[in-house]
Amino acid sequence: AQSVTQLDSQVPVFEEAPVELRCNYSSSVSVYLFWYVQYPNQGLQLLLKYLSGSTLVKGINGFEAEFNKSQTSFHLRKPSVHISDTAEYFCAVRAAGTALIFGKGTTLSVSS
Amino acid sequence: KAGVTQTPRYLIKTRGQQVTLSCSPISGHRSVSWYQQTPGQGLQFLFEYFSETQRNKGNFPGRFSGRQFSNSRSEMNVSTLELGDSALYLCASSPLGDRGTYNEQFFGPGTRLTVL
Repeated sequence: AQSVTQLDSQVPVFEEAPVELRCNYSSSVSVYLFWYVQYPNQGLQLLLKYLSGSTLVKGINGFEAEFNKSQTSFHLRKPSVHISDTAEYFCAVRAAGTALIFGKGTTLSVSS
Repeated sequence: KAGVTQTPRYLIKTRGQQVTLSCSPISGHRSVSWYQQTPGQGLQFLFEYFSETQRNKGNFPGRFSGRQFSNSRSEMNVSTLELGDSALYLCASSPLGDRGTYNEQFFGPGTRLTVL
């Protein structure tokens, strides 16, 4: 079975500062990795995904993530955040034929 | 193309009642999954349907059930509601059904269920 751990439940940051949201996963088989964002009172929107190939994945809204197999991590980064990036971010993992498993989420709060 | 739609968006029930939530996937999508989201437990997988068959099931009691129709629309039912069933219930649809391939999931806005 797979599992996901998001290491920070809340990350406060000032506008235009860089941010990293950390995610570690556990699995005995190859997995696909995802980051989703959830704005208040909305569903989840896919930010980016890692399926295979290049370990650096670029997504929407200027976000990127790096897959590190040896450390079983998939950290999300953005070089300069905006107020509008304030939201909850979920890391998720899925092995072929299995359900999508989510981490507990990280609340990113961007202030001016 | 219209996104995933869920009805109703908000629902208030009392303990012991039952409830049915509906999900219409993106046109052409054949796989539908359901998730429960609560502040304490986060996002938990309920079940996944593909072509009217339940393909995966999460660790929820038998009070939680679902089904998928031939047009890929899905419903989930919760019987004998408990206070702890208060949550946001999210539906997601996927375009592919092959178990060996990755399925990107597109989420609806959710149904907010409050049990009093």
